[in-house]
Amino acid sequence: AQSVTQLGSHVSVSEGALVLLRCNYSSSVPPYLFWYVQYPNQGLQLLLKYTTGATLVKGINGFEAEFKKSETSFHLTKPSAHMSDAAEYFCAVSATGAGSYQLTFGKGTKLSVIP
Amino acid sequence: DGGITQSPKYLFRKEGQNVTLSCEQNLNHDAMYWYRQDPGQGLRLIYYSQIVNDFQKGDIAEGYSVSREKKESFPLTVTSAQKNPTAFYLCASSISARQGQTQYFGPGTRLLVL
Repeated sequence: AQSVTQLGSHVSVSEGALVLLRCNYSSSVPPYLFWYVQYPNQGLQLLLKYTTGATLVKGINGFEAEFKKSETSFHLTKPSAHMSDAAEYFCAVSATGAGSYQLTFGKGTKLSVIP
Repeated sequence: DGGITQSPKYLFRKEGQNVTLSCEQNLNHDAMYWYRQDPGQGLRLIYYSQIVNDFQKGDIAEGYSVSREKKESFPLTVTSAQKNPTAFYLCASSISARQGQTQYFGPGTRLLVL
């Protein structure tokens, strides 16, 4: 079984400040990990994805995430927040192995950016 | 442009009524998915289809039905057996159902109960 925990349902940062959204996962096998962003009343858009190889993954809009196997974490960061980053962010895991057709999503973190 | 379309954007259901949500993709993807999103709950998988004429139940299939007669289309019916249908419904597709494939999402349909 696999699961995802996103710490903090709501995070507020000032414009220009560091963005850090936390994601921890549990999986019995090496996972694939995803971050998606959702703007109000819209679908989800892929920010970045970890498969294998380099543990630091760069995505769109200046976001990046680092896979830390020892900490079972995949935290999302951005050095400087912009007003347009205000949205809801979802971490998801897809464990390798038989029957891994599903993505398991965290409950989401709403990011507010204060001017 | 390639993508996923969902219609309608808003849908109203009367008590005891079945309603169908449309999902179409022109990405030539084999796999398609339906998710339900409730505030603070993340996304929960309703049904998925790996290939035409095949589909499997997800975590919350009760009260829902699907069909996959064409590669491009994966409609979802919310039946009267679903007692709490008010939610945001998202359709997604991926190249295949192999592990780790990126899922691409449509814009969603918001279902409200009158």
